[in-house]
Amino acid sequence: NAGVTQTPKFQVLKTGQSMTLQCAQDMNHNSMYWYRQDPGMGLRLIYYSASEGTTDKGEVPNGYNVSRLNKREFSLRLESAAPSQTSVYFCASSEARPGYTDTQYFGPGTRLTVL
Amino acid sequence: GEDVEQSLFLSVREGDSSVINCTYTDSSSTYLYWYKQEPGAGLQLLTYIFSNMDMKQDQRLTVLLNKKDKHLSLRIADTQTGDSAIYFCAETPYSNSGYALNFGKGTSLLVTP
Repeated sequence: NAGVTQTPKFQVLKTGQSMTLQCAQDMNHNSMYWYRQDPGMGLRLIYYSASEGTTDKGEVPNGYNVSRLNKREFSLRLESAAPSQTSVYFCASSEARPGYTDTQYFGPGTRLTVL
Repeated sequence: GEDVEQSLFLSVREGDSSVINCTYTDSSSTYLYWYKQEPGAGLQLLTYIFSNMDMKQDQRLTVLLNKKDKHLSLRIADTQTGDSAIYFCAETPYSNSGYALNFGKGTSLLVTP
């Protein structure tokens, strides 16, 4: 039981390049999330998927797209990377059952640098 | 959205108690969480409290909740050097963002020998 896994762990891009960050969970969770973490800013929600087949924008969605490929996998794509997207990206998942504590489990993060 | 507020830095001596404070924004938050982040790692759930409770104790951790003031605190008894990390409080705001959490900016706890 690996929990939430993310690939790659580190990535350096040049401005304008594209890439996809991969996330997978093996806990049969309904909801999945992408956050970015910047120094002094805490975590900010980029996109989330409340359930398989749905995706919605969070607080800072500009410059990103997502795909909920199946219940396990939720990918984040940068179509044309910009230096402002240099950050640490965290994927999380949760069971998301109404009326229950909805603990989110986080992956180890992807450290992205855009030059 | 509105900010969840935390002090940015706390330094304590090994063996002392640490108290990390948080002011949250949404009085309808059902659960409030404390997460811990060690250097270079992801976030790890430490504990949570249901909004109808005012205190929860879990070994060295004590969470206090004051709903009237929207104030949450985390007390770590007998703080150890291994407790040095960033601590985030998070609320579950009523919003369209599913169950997404609203995080504070984190408190860096430094424990000195």
